Amino acid sequence: QKEVEQDPGPLSVPEGAIVSLNCTYSNSAFQYFMWYRQYSRKGPELLMYTYSSGNKEDGRFTAQVDKSSKYISLFIRDSQPSDSATYLCAMRGTAGNQFYFGTGTSLTVIP
Amino acid sequence: EPEVTQTPSHQVTQMGQEVILRCVPISNHLYFYWYRQILGQKVEFLVSFYNNEISEKSEIFDDQFSVERPDGSNFTLKIRSTKLEDSAMYFCASRTSGLQETQYFGPGTRLLVL
Repeated sequence: QKEVEQDPGPLSVPEGAIVSLNCTYSNSAFQYFMWYRQYSRKGPELLMYTYSSGNKEDGRFTAQVDKSSKYISLFIRDSQPSDSATYLCAMRGTAGNQFYFGTGTSLTVIP
Repeated sequence: EPEVTQTPSHQVTQMGQEVILRCVPISNHLYFYWYRQILGQKVEFLVSFYNNEISEKSEIFDDQFSVERPDGSNFTLKIRSTKLEDSAMYFCASRTSGLQETQYFGPGTRLLVL
């Protein structure tokens, strides 16, 4: 079983739509959860970072963590063409330095 | 805003040659990482480095690979005797200490082995 599962998409939505991106994981020790945005041929850029369960909001972005279900989500409101990118979830536990990444979901926002 | 930098941005090499990929992490960061991303595939962890030694490495990081922090600012990944399947984007990342600190990525080096 993979540590982190993420639907690779591709996902295509019209401009202004609400986008929901999700990851599931198997390791209950994971405590720190991140979402990265990666434009084509660029390095991942940190979008959101949450600790343990709960919600975190930053502008049009909301990250949710449900540790009981081992499920994390990223919501993008009022999506823009500039949001077109691959979104990577990542997580880690409290022991060790390794971060575990999902495969990434490719998102296209159509003007 | 401080950022992780990587050089070169692109590297083309012949199979069997050695390459050194360079990274300058953010200056107050203490943990350093190398990741690999084969075109169209996921970001794969290679190695983490702390206090001048490897703290974790993946199965990918075999004897062909080595890392070094030759001075106070650079962090390098050496790939000996490159193979065709080493062609990928290589990302460096760094973070400060503390469990609640996440990592920041550099722009990557695109390595092509011919």
